[in-house]
Amino acid sequence: EAGVAQSPRYKIIEKRQSVAFWCNPISGHATLYWYQQILGQGPKLLIQFQNNGVVDDSQLPKDRFSAERLKGVDSTLKIQPAKLEDSAVYLCASSLGAGSKNIQYFGAGTRLSVL
Amino acid sequence: QKEVEQDPGPLSVPEGAIVSLNCTYSNSAFQYFMWYRQYSRKGPELLMYTYSSGNKEDGRFTAQVDKSSKYISLFIRDSQPSDSATYLCAMSGVGTGNQFYFGTGTSLTVIP
Repeated sequence: EAGVAQSPRYKIIEKRQSVAFWCNPISGHATLYWYQQILGQGPKLLIQFQNNGVVDDSQLPKDRFSAERLKGVDSTLKIQPAKLEDSAVYLCASSLGAGSKNIQYFGAGTRLSVL
Repeated sequence: QKEVEQDPGPLSVPEGAIVSLNCTYSNSAFQYFMWYRQYSRKGPELLMYTYSSGNKEDGRFTAQVDKSSKYISLFIRDSQPSDSATYLCAMSGVGTGNQFYFGTGTSLTVIP
């Protein structure tokens, strides 16, 4: 079974530029998550999708971050404009359902450096 | 107070040692408890998954949950250099909005 795919693996941009990350979840997984992991910290949930609808985006900085999952499969996360403090690893995860017992499977992440 | 507290380490042990990793939490609504292992420059991979209190064993790994003390542990027996990674605890529950709450991770190095 293929895992969660993310691209690119690494991205270096200057502050105020824009950047986009892509995620393809495990086939059949209805729920998709984007997390931000700053060095030395645990993952922090940015947004959760159930199929193509948003379940939770309470911690997404909406003035600069946006995400979509138009067809309920792939998802993109965008940052515009980027700030220095956005330097982190952006992890995508997926699970069969949205319930608390559903195990989340993670991709390898996209490491973003904002200079 | 954070929802989940985890000692960041770093922890360094000789090969063959027994390792104990721990997390404490404050929300009694947590019911599902997980340990993820994260190698450098990789995403977290699920290691252990337990429901409610008790022990679960899988090979050299044992997960222990004590809900009365709000304390979970992961034990690694006969530790190997390949166990060198960051270990993240995570927990969730119906009463917590179904979110996963992660610890900050403990960095473990097993020295050959």
